[in-house]
Amino acid sequence: DTGVSQNPRHKITKRGQNVTFRCDPISEHNRLYWYRQTLGQGPEFLTYFQNEAQLEKSRLLSDRFSAERPKGSFSTLEIQRTEQGDSAMYLCASSPGTGPNTEAFFGQGTRLTVV
Amino acid sequence: DAKTTQPPSMDCAEGRAANLPCNHSTISGNEYVYWYRQIHSQGPQYIIHGLKNNETNEMASLIITEDRKSSTLILPHATLRDTAVYYCIVRMNYGGSQGNLIFGKGTKLSVKP
Repeated sequence: DTGVSQNPRHKITKRGQNVTFRCDPISEHNRLYWYRQTLGQGPEFLTYFQNEAQLEKSRLLSDRFSAERPKGSFSTLEIQRTEQGDSAMYLCASSPGTGPNTEAFFGQGTRLTVV
Repeated sequence: DAKTTQPPSMDCAEGRAANLPCNHSTISGNEYVYWYRQIHSQGPQYIIHGLKNNETNEMASLIITEDRKSSTLILPHATLRDTAVYYCIVRMNYGGSQGNLIFGKGTKLSVKP
């Protein structure tokens, strides 16, 4: 499978615990995005990377959230001290990053439930 | 980025064409129109995009008005598997590099037998 891969697909955690999600983009895609989606809403932009550099962060990305892409390939999104409001689908997407009109490809997402 | 306006929901009979409208009246000259769809519990799927010319691919056609203030996504022969939320997105082009995808609430298309 050469699409965007996200792991785990589902995560249930207790409030206050830390969680980490992983995203493996399509090979050679140098741009990687993270989105969050709650029920009934469209995906909300969180942050994106160009290679290993994190170029933009949404104000939705509170200080409990951190994203990394250490070698410009896979990325991790960590949420510390989870809260019930963090329950959502976390989506990752990748794109070639260059050229004015290339599309982004999304993974299947990680569904987080904080109890 | 410019915002888009879409109807919250639409119905379409199976086998008929589904025409999904989108208004983007504040679009600027270097912004592209993208369409994605999201089937329940899956990640968004790219459908088509365009700048000012009409576009067609194996999934759909995109008709952009001459003033670029609105567009229509056409699914020529809708099937039950086309039931999904369809997002119209205007995406900035920063000197050759594309901006982020900013999603609205989209249109929930229900294809009925």
